[in-house]
Amino acid sequence: RKEVEQDPGPFNVPEGATVAFNCTYSNSASQSFFWYRQDCRKEPKLLMSVYSSGNEDGRFTAQLNRASQYISLLIRDSKLSDSATYLCVGLDSSYKLIFGSGTRLLVRP
Amino acid sequence: EPEVTQTPSHQVTQMGQEVILRCVPISNHLYFYWYRQILGQKVEFLVSFYNNEISEKSEIFDDQFSVERPDGSNFTLKIRSTKLEDSAMYFCASSEPFVYEQFFGPGTRLTVL
Repeated sequence: RKEVEQDPGPFNVPEGATVAFNCTYSNSASQSFFWYRQDCRKEPKLLMSVYSSGNEDGRFTAQLNRASQYISLLIRDSKLSDSATYLCVGLDSSYKLIFGSGTRLLVRP
Repeated sequence: EPEVTQTPSHQVTQMGQEVILRCVPISNHLYFYWYRQILGQKVEFLVSFYNNEISEKSEIFDDQFSVERPDGSNFTLKIRSTKLEDSAMYFCASSEPFVYEQFFGPGTRLTVL
């Protein structure tokens, strides 16, 4: 089983839509979790950390289900500027980041 | 807002040549990392560095690779004899002590001809 697995998309949604991304992980990538966003040919930028209790930052909500080894990111009221690739990332026991392949989001006018 | 910087932004080299990629981590960070991303593929861990020594390295990080913190601010990745398959974006990242979030620099695009 791949360490961090994501649906590659693309998700093509209209402005204002709510969109959810899912991610599954194996035990090796299970110390902590993050969502990063990556624009084309740019560096990954930390979007938010994912806490066991779930956390929200403005229009973004992240959830972690350790029993199912499942992480989600919900984006409400999508903006054109949200168009990017969203990377689900785990931190393993030696503190290295393990990246998923990313889910591409396209927000159309 | 402090950020990680990297130079050069783009490096073109001939196969077999040595390259040095440079990074200036965020000033109060003590943990440093190199990752790479081959075009169209996922970001992969190369090496982590703390207290002037390598903490962890991946299978990719073979004898052709080395890292160094030559002074109090720079963190470098050297590839001794580049191969075509070393062509990729190389990202430097850093993190604070006891904090898991890692912050990435803008990357160096390495093209090996």
